[in-house]
Amino acid sequence: GENVEQHPSTLSVQEGDSAVIKCTYSDSASNYFPWYKQELGKRPQLIIDIRSNVGEKKDQRIAVTLNKTAKHFSLHITETQPEDSAVYFCAARVPGGGNKLTFGTGTQLKVEL
Amino acid sequence: KAGVTQTPRYLIKTRGQQVTLSCSPISGHRSVSWYQQTPGQGLQFLFEYFSETQRNKGNFPGRFSGRQFSNSRSEMNVSTLELGDSALYLCASSLIASGGTDTQYFGPGTRLTVL
Repeated sequence: GENVEQHPSTLSVQEGDSAVIKCTYSDSASNYFPWYKQELGKRPQLIIDIRSNVGEKKDQRIAVTLNKTAKHFSLHITETQPEDSAVYFCAARVPGGGNKLTFGTGTQLKVEL
Repeated sequence: KAGVTQTPRYLIKTRGQQVTLSCSPISGHRSVSWYQQTPGQGLQFLFEYFSETQRNKGNFPGRFSGRQFSNSRSEMNVSTLELGDSALYLCASSLIASGGTDTQYFGPGTRLTVL
């Protein structure tokens, strides 16, 4: 089945800096890649997603890039703020598997003042 | 629209007991997926229900089961609880118009503690 690896597991940046989180997937058929943000004690919330027919997508300070050849995708957060501190999860979905998402292990992002 | 809701929010059970968790999807959403979240294993897919039918199942033992009702509300049941079943159980709903796939929105989760 699909396997998703996520790096780094922890990331500490200074406020205003950029943060990059990387994920690789194993099944080349995967066609949907969402990113979720989970604050302590809260539910995971979708922050951005990308489909396999698109190489990059941007939403204000957040962007995701997809390299299908290398089977990896990345989350980029610019001008980080303290409220960006949370755990971020990447995920991948294989067609034909319904809505099943395979998640990465998460990245704890800490934005320091 | 109201978001995904889950009840109860917290549960404490002892080994050997069984438990039923409930999930109410966003109005109009027809797909409900369940995930188990633990510090060691992360988020793992349990199963998905669409139009009252199980559409996909993860690698969990048969003690984990679920169902979906005609109003799209879903329940999951865990029988013969083990200590390792302690986790946050999350459900996620999706609006699927044609039987395909769509964005998933998570509920707040049920925190299950097995003593």
